[in-house]
Amino acid sequence: GENVEQHPSTLSVQEGDSAVIKCTYSDSASNYFPWYKQELGKGPQLIIDIRSNVGEKKDQRIAVTLNKTAKHFSLHITETQPEDSAVYFCAASTHNTDKLIFGTGTRLQVFP
Amino acid sequence: AAGVIQSPRHLIKEKRETATLKCYPIPRHDTVYWYQQGPGQDPQFLISFYEKMQSDKGSIPDRFSAQQFSDYHSELNMSSLELGDSALYFCASSPRLGEQFFGPGTRLTVL
Repeated sequence: GENVEQHPSTLSVQEGDSAVIKCTYSDSASNYFPWYKQELGKGPQLIIDIRSNVGEKKDQRIAVTLNKTAKHFSLHITETQPEDSAVYFCAASTHNTDKLIFGTGTRLQVFP
Repeated sequence: AAGVIQSPRHLIKEKRETATLKCYPIPRHDTVYWYQQGPGQDPQFLISFYEKMQSDKGSIPDRFSAQQFSDYHSELNMSSLELGDSALYFCASSPRLGEQFFGPGTRLTVL
């Protein structure tokens, strides 16, 4: 089955700096890659996603890149703000089953 | 915008008791998913339903069962509760093969 690895497990940055979180997946059939932000005591919130027919997608300060050959995708947050502090999860799913397989999460701390 | 509703938000049970968790999906979403998240861990897929039929099954114990009703809400029934069942239980909904939107979760504590 699918396995998703995520790095780093913790990331501390200064406000205004960029943050990058990386994930790799094992199943070449995976074709959908969402990113979720989870704040303490809340459910995961979808922040951006990308499908396998696209290499990059951007939404304001957030971007995701996908390298299908390397089975690797990344989340880029620019101009970080303290409210970006949360746990971020990457996930993957395949076209024939829509269950999400999550990475282990990255705790991002943005210091003012 | 309407979001996924889960009830109850918190639940405390004794070992060997039963629990029922409810999920009300976003209107016009026909697919519901259940995930379990242990402390400091990532969400783990349990089971999903599409148009009231089970569509996929993950690492759900035999002690657990679930169903989706005609109004698309779903219930997760958990019996013979064990200490290790203590976790956050999330429901997510989506249009078929679309983005999954998660509810606020039910925190289950088994004593």
